[in-house]
Amino acid sequence: EDQVTQSPEALRLQEGESSSLNCSYTVSGLRGLFWYRQDPGKGPEFLFTLYSAGEEKEKERLKATLTKKESFLHITAPKPEDSATYLCAVQANDYKLSFGAGTTVTVRA
Amino acid sequence: DSGVTQTPKHLITATGQRVTLRCSPRSGDLSVYWYQQSLDQGLQFLIQYYNGEERAKGNILERFSAQQFPDLHSELNLSSLELGDSALYFCASSVGGAVTDTQYFGPGTRLTVL
Repeated sequence: EDQVTQSPEALRLQEGESSSLNCSYTVSGLRGLFWYRQDPGKGPEFLFTLYSAGEEKEKERLKATLTKKESFLHITAPKPEDSATYLCAVQANDYKLSFGAGTTVTVRA
Repeated sequence: DSGVTQTPKHLITATGQRVTLRCSPRSGDLSVYWYQQSLDQGLQFLIQYYNGEERAKGNILERFSAQQFPDLHSELNLSSLELGDSALYFCASSVGGAVTDTQYFGPGTRLTVL
């Protein structure tokens, strides 16, 4: 069974304090790994898709990387508006999607 | 605003009842996905439709069913409701069904089963 584990569960950062979120996965044939951002009471918002080990993608203060067993979401010099829950998901060859439980990031000014 | 609409926003019903959740995808999107999000289970993929056909099935209970209509809107039917079915139900849509296609999520329907 496909599994996605995210760590830590929660992360409290000071504004400007860079950090990384981890997503480790086991999947029967990876079609893609996704990162989403979710604000309380709202639907997830797409951030990145990664397809193969070694791939990296960046968007503003966020950078996602992928290895064969895990992905990292690096937040550089975060701002309070980066506070959210960050979700990782994998899509297997049978198109099934599995989500991790998320990492809730709180950035204090 | 993602362009995906879901109705109703909130739904309160009793155990044993049946409800229908509706989703209208973004204009031009052929794929619709349904998800359930509860506090203890996180975000769970239920089912995907692509241009009217079922594409992938996740952890969808037999009491739940879905369909995508010719105009591409989709409905998720939940029957014999139990307390544990209380959750946020999200619909998402994408242009196609490929992994390269970004999924856009709707605002969700909050279902409360009493």
